[in-house]
Amino acid sequence: GAVVSQHPSWVICKSGTSVKIECRSLDFQATTMFWYRQFPKQSLMLMATSNEGSKATYEQGVEKDKFLINHASLTLSTLTVTSAHPEDSSFYICSAREYGTDYNEQFFGPGTRLTVL
Amino acid sequence: GQNIDQPTEMTATEGAIVQINCTYQTSGFNGLFWYQQHAGEAPTFLSYNVLDGLEEKGRFSSFLSRSKGYSYLLLKELQMKDSASYLCAVLDSNYQLIWGAGTKLIIKP
Repeated sequence: GAVVSQHPSWVICKSGTSVKIECRSLDFQATTMFWYRQFPKQSLMLMATSNEGSKATYEQGVEKDKFLINHASLTLSTLTVTSAHPEDSSFYICSAREYGTDYNEQFFGPGTRLTVL
Repeated sequence: GQNIDQPTEMTATEGAIVQINCTYQTSGFNGLFWYQQHAGEAPTFLSYNVLDGLEEKGRFSSFLSRSKGYSYLLLKELQMKDSASYLCAVLDSNYQLIWGAGTKLIIKP
């Protein structure tokens, strides 16, 4: 159980276009989902925390107008990178926290590798 | 500020034992996680400690001392597939995960 999927697993796009990444909890309900970015040889950097039905909370330095997050249901959150540029090329990973547990474990999706040309 | 320290890189021999240390200073504490991350992949859960002591799970064990702000991950009978980065993360008072930079473990035959 506790499986999180991400789609797409990789994407290549032209500079200036927008890219949407989906994160789904397949077998549990996730009230909270997290979006991370990871550059090569660096640790995970939390971008934002999204709670179902409310606005996402962005970390300092993350542009909310550039990285649009929607958490419309207990099983789906989306991250849209708007007007992507080469510096946005990175590994984007989502995680989900299961509703109603005390364990507070985050289950990670497999990640999406974004390359902006 | 919040800070988690772990060694950048460690090298060990196949079949041996290695201990990866993690020290933390966070605003509050609601548990410490260890994750394994292979290159190009997402992290996978290894262990969770919220009380002091040692938790053993097969070849992997994790230890926590809350008074010292210290944890370690112990890997026994090392295998080549254990070559990966090991991430220490602390859940703070706001239930937000604070991540260490990770320890890259290199296993040599």
